[in-house]
Amino acid sequence: AQKVTQAQTEISVVEKEDVTLDCVYETRDTTYYLFWYKQPPSGELVFLIRRNSFDEQNEISGRYSWNFQKSTSSFNFTITASQVVDSAVYFCALSEGPGGSYIPTFGRGTSLIVHP
Amino acid sequence: DAGVTQSPTHLIKTRGQQVTLRCSPKSGHDTVSWYQQALGQGPQFIFQYYEEEERQRGNFPDRFSGHQFPNYSSELNVNALLLGDSALYLCASTWTEAPRDTQYFGPGTRLTVL
Repeated sequence: AQKVTQAQTEISVVEKEDVTLDCVYETRDTTYYLFWYKQPPSGELVFLIRRNSFDEQNEISGRYSWNFQKSTSSFNFTITASQVVDSAVYFCALSEGPGGSYIPTFGRGTSLIVHP
Repeated sequence: DAGVTQSPTHLIKTRGQQVTLRCSPKSGHDTVSWYQQALGQGPQFIFQYYEEEERQRGNFPDRFSGHQFPNYSSELNVNALLLGDSALYLCASTWTEAPRDTQYFGPGTRLTVL
């Protein structure tokens, strides 16, 4: 069975603060994929990143960075110098290869509120 | 290049009724998946269609059924609506050569069951 836990239900920060969204996952597979999606109030899920289990390199994309640690089964997401437009619900997801047929399991999401 | 589109945007039904939601995939995509997202929860997989057949199904009752048309568009049907069916229904599409979990999501249909 696979499981994704996002323990932070809601985070509130002031603009320009850095913020880290936590994601812990459980899987028995050695091959799996991790994702982050952003869901603004409009409802559409926006893809941010896909990372496979064999690539533990951290990744940076502009103000976004991701820290993948297999030892702690975590895939945390940091937004540097947050902006009001970052306000949204962020979902972490996990998918597994042939057994799981690549269907992602989503966490419950973390609502990020960035105040001006 | 249009993304994934869904209709209607909002829908209100009463218990026991039936509903049909529609999805047009992104151009060039041939695989469509449907998800249910209850308030405060993450999306849950309902089923996936490819080549007009249901390829995979999540843990949803038979009241939930679907269809894919030759132009790759898809419908989600829910019969005998329950209050608990109230949710945002998301459609996602991908294409054969892509990893199956690389999906593009539509804006969703908000279903309210009274």
